[in-house]
Amino acid sequence: AQTVTQSQPEMSVQEAETVTLSCTYDTSENNYYLFWYKQPPSRQMILVIRQEAYKQQNATENRFSVNFQKAAKSFSLKISDSQLGDTAMYFCAFMKLPSGNTPLVFGKGTRLSVIA
Amino acid sequence: EAQVTQNPRYLITVTGKKLTVTCSQNMNHEYMSWYRQDPGLGLRQIYYSMNVEVTDKGDVPEGYKVSRKEKRNFPLILESPSPNQTSLYFCASSPWTGGNGYTFGSGTRLTVV
Repeated sequence: AQTVTQSQPEMSVQEAETVTLSCTYDTSENNYYLFWYKQPPSRQMILVIRQEAYKQQNATENRFSVNFQKAAKSFSLKISDSQLGDTAMYFCAFMKLPSGNTPLVFGKGTRLSVIA
Repeated sequence: EAQVTQNPRYLITVTGKKLTVTCSQNMNHEYMSWYRQDPGLGLRQIYYSMNVEVTDKGDVPEGYKVSRKEKRNFPLILESPSPNQTSLYFCASSPWTGGNGYTFGSGTRLTVV
């Protein structure tokens, strides 16, 4: 079974600074997707960024980027120019392919606080 | 607007009183799933459905039931709720391919006293 580990339960960052959230995963699969979800206080689950394992290029979405190290099974999220609205719980998630009946497996989350 | 609609958003109930949390999606997605979120445990899958009349257990199915009679609806049923089912529940859906991740509902905060 796949597992996802987020080793930082809580983090904080000053507004406008850069922060990196860590995620490692354990799988014997070669084809899969990785995701970062954001859960603000409104508790809505919002997809931040996704990465396909077969793509070597790291995904980026505006201020959000990932460092995907397939051999190390590492998938960290970098948030640049942090904003107060980035304060949220962040979840790393894994899905093997073909997706079919395979679930999205989540880590336990990292609570990020952006400080003014 | 493409969305997953869950109701209710908040629910307080007593032990043993049957309840249903509804979930509906308007994206014609094949795959639907229920998760529960607990502090320090992340999100854990309860049940999922790959299509109409096809459901299966996730990691924490005990005490829950589901049905998928129509493609758009996937209700979660607690026949006899207990306090350990106090949690935040999410319904989610995705197309069969799943590569774009799931679309989540807004969550249901359930308290069983």
